[in-house]
Amino acid sequence: GEDVEQSLFLSVREGDSSVINCTYTDSSSTYLYWYKQEPGAGLQLLTYIFSNMDMKQDQRLTVLLNKKDKHLSLRIADTQTGDSAIYFCAETSNSNSGYALNFGKGTSLLVTP
Amino acid sequence: EPEVTQTPSHQVTQMGQEVILRCVPISNHLYFYWYRQILGQKVEFLVSFYNNEISEKSEIFDDQFSVERPDGSNFTLKIRSTKLEDSAMYFCASTFTRASSTDTQYFGPGTRLTVL
Repeated sequence: GEDVEQSLFLSVREGDSSVINCTYTDSSSTYLYWYKQEPGAGLQLLTYIFSNMDMKQDQRLTVLLNKKDKHLSLRIADTQTGDSAIYFCAETSNSNSGYALNFGKGTSLLVTP
Repeated sequence: EPEVTQTPSHQVTQMGQEVILRCVPISNHLYFYWYRQILGQKVEFLVSFYNNEISEKSEIFDDQFSVERPDGSNFTLKIRSTKLEDSAMYFCASTFTRASSTDTQYFGPGTRLTVL
């Protein structure tokens, strides 16, 4: 199947910006998502971007998409300790009849005071 | 805010036993999904379900797996004869329409299945 790759760990200091990167291989990806998982909780949608966009900003979150390089990033400004969680990149495409999501392994973000 | 719920939160079973994982999707949603995440690996799609039938399934979803919507609220995943490699976190998800940019899949908190 198509791959979605993420780095596994990221540690930042409170107040700094965090940048979580993701690469994918499916050139027919239509929608790309960032999900957040806090301990013991389900996957919470943070933001998404459609493949014909290259940037989307939503409060502290900025998503950048480089479709040519198949690279997606999530920037969290002014990172807080409450942002510590696992962040999953996911993609789906029109080729999936049920729009099944294809996830990366997740990036564990640790925010230190 | 409506949410997807799953029970139990943790299930321990012996190899070869049948397990049923239960999910209550958001009440007006029409599409239902199961995903699993083996420890240290990525979240993997298992199956999608609409109008009382499977609409898509992955190669993981073999004859040992089945899904059912036995009533108007529950959506279940049955593993007929569990294997050690079925140990994973199983996530249920639902959406009103097929997932799109504005109608994404809402996930439950997961059931951790441990097969001994």
